[in-house]
Amino acid sequence: GAGVSQSPRYKVAKRGQDVALRCDPISGHVSLFWYQQALGQGPEFLTYFQNEAQLDKSGLPSDRFFAERPEGSVSTLKIQRTQQEDSAVYLCASSLGVGQGSYEQYFGPGTRLTVT
Amino acid sequence: AQTVTQSQPEMSVQEAETVTLSCTYDTSENNYYLFWYKQPPSRQMILVIRQEAYKQQNATENRFSVNFQKAAKSFSLKISDSQLGDTAMYFCVVNTDKLIFGTGTRLQVFP
Repeated sequence: GAGVSQSPRYKVAKRGQDVALRCDPISGHVSLFWYQQALGQGPEFLTYFQNEAQLDKSGLPSDRFFAERPEGSVSTLKIQRTQQEDSAVYLCASSLGVGQGSYEQYFGPGTRLTVT
Repeated sequence: AQTVTQSQPEMSVQEAETVTLSCTYDTSENNYYLFWYKQPPSRQMILVIRQEAYKQQNATENRFSVNFQKAAKSFSLKISDSQLGDTAMYFCVVNTDKLIFGTGTRLQVFP
């Protein structure tokens, strides 16, 4: 079956622009996660959805970052008024289980965002 | 706060040889999970192996095995019979309420 997909794969934005990054999880996966991976670093947790409910958004770096999953499937991460420090790869992952416990997370290929 | 430390930014190994990647972590939780994830060049992150902290027995998955020392908070990954396809960035991950990744070890397997 299809894995996690993300679009666009690459995005270049001018400082101050708004961007929207899309994630299509594996069908039937309850949990969805967003991570930010800076160059040369490990991914850092941003936010977690269980179905359409955003249960944890403790990793969002500022109020310019907003995520939604209105129908419990596709998710969008929106960044308003992008800054250069937002440049990173944004990874989406989904898992079959509930919670952030032992269930394997399946990762998408990521969206590489470059803010100029 | 939970932290994960991978002290080897880069490692290399010859094909068919064995290599061990180190990881130490810090958490105040008693129940948690540990993972090694692999991120091949330009490819998606995939799970290599998983260990439940309450299990004393070290996890194994084909050529991959771990040495889990709970008291020392150490979780190393051993890759036996290394293959060219093992070339990747390897992340040690601790999970209590969310995944906490280390900074990664870039492994290069040479023919």
